[in-house]
Amino acid sequence: NAGVTQTPKFRILKIGQSMTLQCTQDMNHNYMYWYRQDPGMGLKLIYYSVGAGITDKGEVPNGYNVSRSTTEDFPLRLELAAPSQTSVYFCASKERVTDTQYFGPGTRLTVL
Amino acid sequence: AQSVTQLGSHVSVSEGALVLLRCNYSSSVPPYLFWYVQYPNQGLQLLLKYTTGATLVKGINGFEAEFKKSETSFHLTKPSAHMSDAAEYFCAVSDEGNTGKLIFGQGTTLQVKP
Repeated sequence: NAGVTQTPKFRILKIGQSMTLQCTQDMNHNYMYWYRQDPGMGLKLIYYSVGAGITDKGEVPNGYNVSRSTTEDFPLRLELAAPSQTSVYFCASKERVTDTQYFGPGTRLTVL
Repeated sequence: AQSVTQLGSHVSVSEGALVLLRCNYSSSVPPYLFWYVQYPNQGLQLLLKYTTGATLVKGINGFEAEFKKSETSFHLTKPSAHMSDAAEYFCAVSDEGNTGKLIFGQGTTLQVKP
């Protein structure tokens, strides 16, 4: 049982490039979340999903897109990378009936 | 809207001393409250949570927190700090909808001196 896994661990992008951050969970959780963490700012919610085929915006969705075609996977897409997207990105999941989120190890992204 | 404020971005204690990390929240409905810990270069790990029932909540690694509705607080304590407690700590409140979204405080970095 691997829990929540994220790839890649690190990535450097040039301005304007695109990439997909991968997130997979093997706990059969319905709910999944993407957060970004900036120094001194805590974590901010980007997008979330309450089940396959259902996604919604969080607090800071601009510049990102998501899809949820399966229960296990919740990829985060950056279309035109900007320096303001330099951050650490965390994926999390939880069961519908509980309140505890389980976090992945994070992806550290730098946009230059 | 819900919000969380953590008082003090950095807290420094000596090994063996009391740890007190402060968290205040605002919520128009009974909140679900959480403390998460983040060790360097790792993801977040749940320390403890309050949902309903007993207001004094015990978590892992000897930490506990008390929900005080009158003070809108959920402070984290540990009687005796250990070097391994050095980490960043986040207080969070669950959103008022049914989506389980978490609203985090800014985080408090705990330094433990020998």
